Amino acid sequence: EAQVTQNPRYLITVTGKKLTVTCSQNMNHEYMSWYRQDPGLGLRQIYYSMNVEVTDKGDVPEGYKVSRKEKRNFPLILESPSPNQTSLYFCASSRFWAGSGTNEKLFFGSGTQLSVL
Amino acid sequence: AQKITQTQPGMFVQEKEAVTLDCTYDTSDPSYGLFWYKQPSSGEMIFLIYQGSYDQQNATEGRYSLNFQKARKSANLVISASQLGDSAMYFCAMREGIQGAQKLVFGQGTRLTINP
Repeated sequence: EAQVTQNPRYLITVTGKKLTVTCSQNMNHEYMSWYRQDPGLGLRQIYYSMNVEVTDKGDVPEGYKVSRKEKRNFPLILESPSPNQTSLYFCASSRFWAGSGTNEKLFFGSGTQLSVL
Repeated sequence: AQKITQTQPGMFVQEKEAVTLDCTYDTSDPSYGLFWYKQPSSGEMIFLIYQGSYDQQNATEGRYSLNFQKARKSANLVISASQLGDSAMYFCAMREGIQGAQKLVFGQGTRLTINP
């Protein structure tokens, strides 16, 4: 089954304790992205990757790191989490992200609810 | 300026009625795409429907249709014959073409509640 898999589904941690949220897709997609969802703000992009070893900042990258060493995996790393990073996080992928190809939809993972105490 | 605006934070509708969820957008790019996603209480994001800026006809997918008014820059989602399972958060999103960033831009969302 084609899917984007995120783990864990729920995570409670304390300020400053490094954590990684994993994301894997089995569709051979080139493009992957991380979003965070906060009430009243919709989804905002954190980082994205156009292909292996190609990553770039989105709208809210502060406090986050990513890597894309393999095509299928795109982990999100919080080196020193803070309470303002409490949020619902989504990993998403699509076949590619060409400028004119506006019909490529994003496939989303199930989300990771993170609470930082 | 907001690129995607959803002005209805919440809506309450009787089962079997049709419902329209509003979405307005702002872009100067002539090539763009508009998406609607559904987020049930379980949290996942489900793709519903897509409309391209050059599409001549309004998009339809089963009970979902998109009322696309290009001059007014609106892309309202219409759900016909609503069901209890339609209760969810709904997000409108836009992807710009040549001029755009490499992301979907999302609205704030509308929480739809279907009453029996």
